Parts: sequence; C-alpha cells; structure tokens
Amino acid sequence: DAKTTQPNSMESNEEEPVHLPCNHSTISGTDYIHWYRQLPSQGPEYVIHGLTSNVNNRMASLAIAEDRKSSTLILHRATLRDAAVYYCILRHSSGKLIFGQGTELSVKP
Amino acid sequence: NAGVTQTPKFQVLKTGQSMTLQCAQDMNHEYMSWYRQDPGMGLRLIHYSVGAGITDQGEVPNGYNVSRSTTEDFPLRLLSAAPSQTSVYFCASSTVGATTNEKLFFGSGTQLSVL
Repeated sequence: DAKTTQPNSMESNEEEPVHLPCNHSTISGTDYIHWYRQLPSQGPEYVIHGLTSNVNNRMASLAIAEDRKSSTLILHRATLRDAAVYYCILRHSSGKLIFGQGTELSVKP
Repeated sequence: NAGVTQTPKFQVLKTGQSMTLQCAQDMNHEYMSWYRQDPGMGLRLIHYSVGAGITDQGEVPNGYNVSRSTTEDFPLRLLSAAPSQTSVYFCASSTVGATTNEKLFFGSGTQLSVL
C-alpha cells in the first residue's frame, strides 16, 4: 500500500492561509488523494479529495503536483474551529483507505 | 438522515468476554470498514467490506471477526477481549466503484475499555 508523509504538527494564525503538505512518492495511477480531519473527541470528517487536477470546495482547496508525488491542502482563512489533526490518505483501488499519523494543526488567535 | 450509526457508545468488558460492536448505515453504501484509534494515535484499519458477503483484512485484524450479511450492517466481533483491545472504534462507509473516488462517512465511535 502506498504511504503518505506529513509533518507532525503545524501552527497558524487565525484568519491567515494555511498550507498543509503531504508527500506520496509511491502513489499509483489509480490512487485518489483524500484529506480528512479529526477534531478532538470526534470521528474523522471528509475535507476534500482529488486525482490529478486541483480541487476546490467550500472547506478547502487541494493542489496536486503534476507528478502526483505530493499534494497540499489549503485552508484559505484559518479559524479557531480549524484546529484539528489533518490526514492525507491515498485511497486504494480496492476501496481500502489507510490512515497515516496526520498533521496536528493549531491555530492561534 | 441517520448516516452511520454505531452502538454502543461506551462499553466496559472484562478480559475474555465477547461482544459485538454494531454498525449500520442507511445510505446504501457498498463499502464499510472498521478502524481503531488508540490514544494519541491515528486510525488503523481492522477489516473492510466492499459488499454483502465480501470481507477482507486491514492492518490489524487479529482478535476481530466481521461478517457482512446485508448491505446495511457490518458488525465487529471480539471473541475474547484483551486489554490491548482497549480503544475507540470507528465504523465508516462509502460508495465504491471503479474510480473509488467517494468520501467516507464516519460514525461517532464506540469507546471500549477492557479490564
């Protein structure tokens, strides 16, 4: 199974953009890149996903490198409610989804 | 719209006891899965299923059994609970297809303590 590498933690200031990086050098052509986040004492929630092209939704943007070996989750204006653990995950063609350790994002007022 | 429902929310077991964690979804999702999350750790995949009658092992399947007799339900069985199985358990589901590009919906979790 292809793995992802993320920084253990990052800090951001409120109302500033946040760029969360993810490396996935062993990604296969059929793996989709998924991002989930987990707030304290809650289950994970979906943020965004993509295959090759950059993606935008109401929560965030996903920038995917041309060679697909890395991606960046972009929160355009961080709020205190965005403080969470963010997981970058490759979704296998079988449907299986393996979580890594994630990046703990803290947001300072 | 209930989504993914897990029961119970909390459970305390003694070593050697058996129990079943229930997971049900009302979205007609083919794919269902079970994860465990230990304190300060990420989620680890226990078992998953891509449809009724089809199950497969994840990263940490030992000590757990699953079956998928209906599309809606995916119970997780602990046959002989051990303290190492103390964890928070999450069930998740999604549609699945050739492009596997669908998001996972998670339940609210079951906190299990084995004494």
